[in-house]
Amino acid sequence: EAGVVQSPRYKIIEKKQPVAFWCNPISGHNTLYWYLQNLGQGPELLIRYENEEAVDDSQLPKDRFSAERLKGVDSTLKIQPAELGDSAVYLCASSLGRGFLEQFFGPGTRLTVL
Amino acid sequence: GQQLNQSPQSMFIQEGEDVSMNCTSSSIFNTWLWYKQDPGEGPVLLIALYKAGELTSNGRLTAQFGITRKDSFLNISASIPSDVGIYFCAGRLTGSNYKLTFGKGTLLTVNP
Repeated sequence: EAGVVQSPRYKIIEKKQPVAFWCNPISGHNTLYWYLQNLGQGPELLIRYENEEAVDDSQLPKDRFSAERLKGVDSTLKIQPAELGDSAVYLCASSLGRGFLEQFFGPGTRLTVL
Repeated sequence: GQQLNQSPQSMFIQEGEDVSMNCTSSSIFNTWLWYKQDPGEGPVLLIALYKAGELTSNGRLTAQFGITRKDSFLNISASIPSDVGIYFCAGRLTGSNYKLTFGKGTLLTVNP
């Protein structure tokens, strides 16, 4: 069974540029999460989707971050414009559904903002 | 937000030694998960615990859900070089609507 797929794996951009990350969860997993991981820290939740619905986006900085999961499968996380402090690893995870806490992570996208 | 205190921050051990690490909080959790993260990769789920007092093993790894529900422990027996990585605990606070809180991780180095 394929795991969570993320692309790109690495991205280097200039500050104020836009950037987008893509995630394809494990087949059959209804819940999708986007996490931010800074160096030396554990993952921090940005947004959680149940199918197409964003059910927890309280930690998403909505002035510059946006996310979508239009058909309840793939998801895209966007930053516009990027700032120096956005340099981090962006992790996508999925789980079977509401109530299933075992989350499975993708390899992440390492973003560097210059 | 709620914090999980994970200790130690790092460990340097010899191959073959046993390892213990733990995660504590002032709040009550109803689920504990332990993950391992290799450099450049995402965290990989090792063990999930759902009941206070529960003791679960996965090969050489054993984890326990503390009786007070405020802590969890992970033990690795007879460490090998491929055990190197960062180990994260994650917990679900009672009433947190399925949100996981992660610790800052324990960096494990195993000397062959």
